Amino acid sequence: ETGVTQSPTHLIKTRGQQVTLRCSSQSGHNTVSWYQQALGQGPQFIFQYYREEENGRGNFPPRFSGLQFPNYSSELNVNALELDDSALYLCASSPGQNTGELFFGEGSRLTVL
Amino acid sequence: DQQVKQNSPSLSVQEGRISILNCDYTNSMFDYFLWYKKYPAEGPTFLISISSIKDKNEDGRFTVFLNKSAKHLSLHIVPSQPGDSAVYFCAAKPYTNAGKSTFGDGTTLTVKP
Repeated sequence: ETGVTQSPTHLIKTRGQQVTLRCSSQSGHNTVSWYQQALGQGPQFIFQYYREEENGRGNFPPRFSGLQFPNYSSELNVNALELDDSALYLCASSPGQNTGELFFGEGSRLTVL
Repeated sequence: DQQVKQNSPSLSVQEGRISILNCDYTNSMFDYFLWYKKYPAEGPTFLISISSIKDKNEDGRFTVFLNKSAKHLSLHIVPSQPGDSAVYFCAAKPYTNAGKSTFGDGTTLTVKP
C-alpha cells in the first residue's frame, strides 16, 4: 500500500510568483485535503476535494486554488505569493469524505523571499 | 479566535511515568476528536480518536478522555517511552466532514530516559 506522497519537498520562490504543489493520495482514497502549517502552529485547513470537486474551504483567499484528477491525485496552486505564505503545506487523504482520520504526506516546505 | 487550544507548548516526563496532554475546544459543532503525532521532517500520523458519544477510548498505552460539558479532552500515555518524544496535535471536526479538521498548535513531549 503506497502512502501519501508530495512533491517537491522544498522550494524557494520570490514574492509575486506562482507555485504548484502536487500530491498523490494513498491507494483507495478518494478524498484529498490541503493544510498550511506555519512555524510553531498547527495545520490550518485550506480546502478539500472529493471526486474532483471542492467540497469545503477554510479561511484562505481565492489565490489559493486546487484541482483533483480522476486518479484522485491533487494540486495546490498559489498565485501572487506573499511572504506570509512561507509554510509547510501538507496534503492528506482519506477513504471517504465522511470518514475519521487523515493520512498525511511529509509536506512541501515553501519559502517566499 | 482559536477554536482548539493546547495551552501547554511543551511537556517533559521521565520514562515509565504518565504523560498527560490537554486540549480545550470552543465550537459545539465539533463531535469527533483526534490526536496526531508528528516527528521532525514527517507528516502528522493518526494516534487515537474519540466521538462525542463516548467519554473514553483506549488503545494500548494511549487513552483519550472527553469531557463534553467542559469542552476538554486529554491524552494519557502510560507508560511513557523515549520513542514517544514528538509533537502531539489535538484536532476536532464535525463527524460528517473528514477533511475539515481544526488543529491546536501542538504540545512537544519529551520523554527522558
